Amino acid sequence: LAKTTQPISMDSYEGQEVNITCSHNNIATNDYITWYQQFPSQGPRFIIQGYKTKVTNEVASLFIPADRKSSTLSLPRVSLSDTAVYYCLVGPGMSGNTPLVFGKGTRLSVIA
Amino acid sequence: EPEVTQTPSHQVTQMGQEVILRCVPISNHLYFYWYRQILGQKVEFLVSFYNNEISEKSEIFDDQFSVERPDGSNFTLKIRSTKLEDSAMYFCASSDVQETQYFGPGTRLLVL
Repeated sequence: LAKTTQPISMDSYEGQEVNITCSHNNIATNDYITWYQQFPSQGPRFIIQGYKTKVTNEVASLFIPADRKSSTLSLPRVSLSDTAVYYCLVGPGMSGNTPLVFGKGTRLSVIA
Repeated sequence: EPEVTQTPSHQVTQMGQEVILRCVPISNHLYFYWYRQILGQKVEFLVSFYNNEISEKSEIFDDQFSVERPDGSNFTLKIRSTKLEDSAMYFCASSDVQETQYFGPGTRLLVL
């Protein structure tokens, strides 16, 4: 599985756009990039998944450059409730029966 | 929206005792998983389960652990003789064939 590197922590003010970048230099051809969010004392929650270019849903956008060696999760206009740990995962396709491998994630703190 | 549920939310037990953690996966899902997260550490994969048998397990999932799907709805994790180091949040997850994994809220296990 491709190793991922992301910042340990980030701070942001409410209402700002937050971009969290993840490096995955040895991503494989059939690997997808998936982001999960985890609030304290809760299970991880799927946010978004993509393979290339840009994916957008009601929660976030995911930008993936042509070489796919990095990706950026973009959270528009964050609120206090977006304070959480965000994990970037790289692995084959929709997970199906594949165990998820979590790193340490990025701890986002949103300040009023 | 369908969700994974887990019981109990908290469990305190004495070292050496057996515990059973229960999960009700999303009803039409076919793949089931257990993960754990020791306080302050990463989410770690324990085991995956499909078609009434273990598909994959990690090094953590030793002979003290077992999983079972005793009926059409429940999915359980049993720890036969708990150790202090088993204290953690235990998350159940489920997925369909080509879908991401959905996590439950977790069971906080404390071994004294």
